[in-house]
Amino acid sequence: NAGVTQTPKFQVLKTGQSMTLQCAQDMNHEYMSWYRQDPGMGLRLIHYSVGAGITDQGEVPNGYNVSRSTTEDFPLRLLSAAPSQTSVYFCASSYAYRDTEAFFGQGTRLTVV
Amino acid sequence: AQKVTQAQTEISVVEKEDVTLDCVYETRDTTYYLFWYKQPPSGELVFLIRRNSFDEQNEISGRYSWNFQKSTSSFNFTITASQVVDSAVYFCALRPYNQGGKLIFGQGTELSVKP
Repeated sequence: NAGVTQTPKFQVLKTGQSMTLQCAQDMNHEYMSWYRQDPGMGLRLIHYSVGAGITDQGEVPNGYNVSRSTTEDFPLRLLSAAPSQTSVYFCASSYAYRDTEAFFGQGTRLTVV
Repeated sequence: AQKVTQAQTEISVVEKEDVTLDCVYETRDTTYYLFWYKQPPSGELVFLIRRNSFDEQNEISGRYSWNFQKSTSSFNFTITASQVVDSAVYFCALRPYNQGGKLIFGQGTELSVKP
């Protein structure tokens, strides 16, 4: 039982490049979400999903794309990286119908130069 | 609007001191959940506690205790006899009911415990 797995752990991108941050969970959680963490701002929600085939925008969705074709995977795509997307990204998952906490991945530290 | 405020950006204490981290939240929902997470220097997020809005009982777990007061919309966290290993960033978060599991985080409080 690996929990929530994020890859890569570190990434440096050039402005304008695109990339996909991977997130997978093996707990059969219905809910999955992506957050970014910036100094002094806590974690802010980018996109979230309540189940396969269903996604919605969070607080800071611009410049990011998501899809959820399976229960297990919830990749985050940066379409054209900008320096403002330099951040630490966390993926989280949780049950829809059980009163439990969200489980977080280890995070991806992304630098856009 | 739903919001979580952790007014203390940084706190520095000496080992064995008690320290309280404040968390104030805003929501119009009657059903919601509150959480505390710890982020040690290694960067991962560690779950500490969950409370639902109908359970106002305070909780103690070892040196940690939590005081939930709906009347003041606060969910404060106290560490008794702090230790160097408690040094971390602590986040308070609000999860609205039936909104896809999304969490609204406070800005975080960086706690530094000096020997």
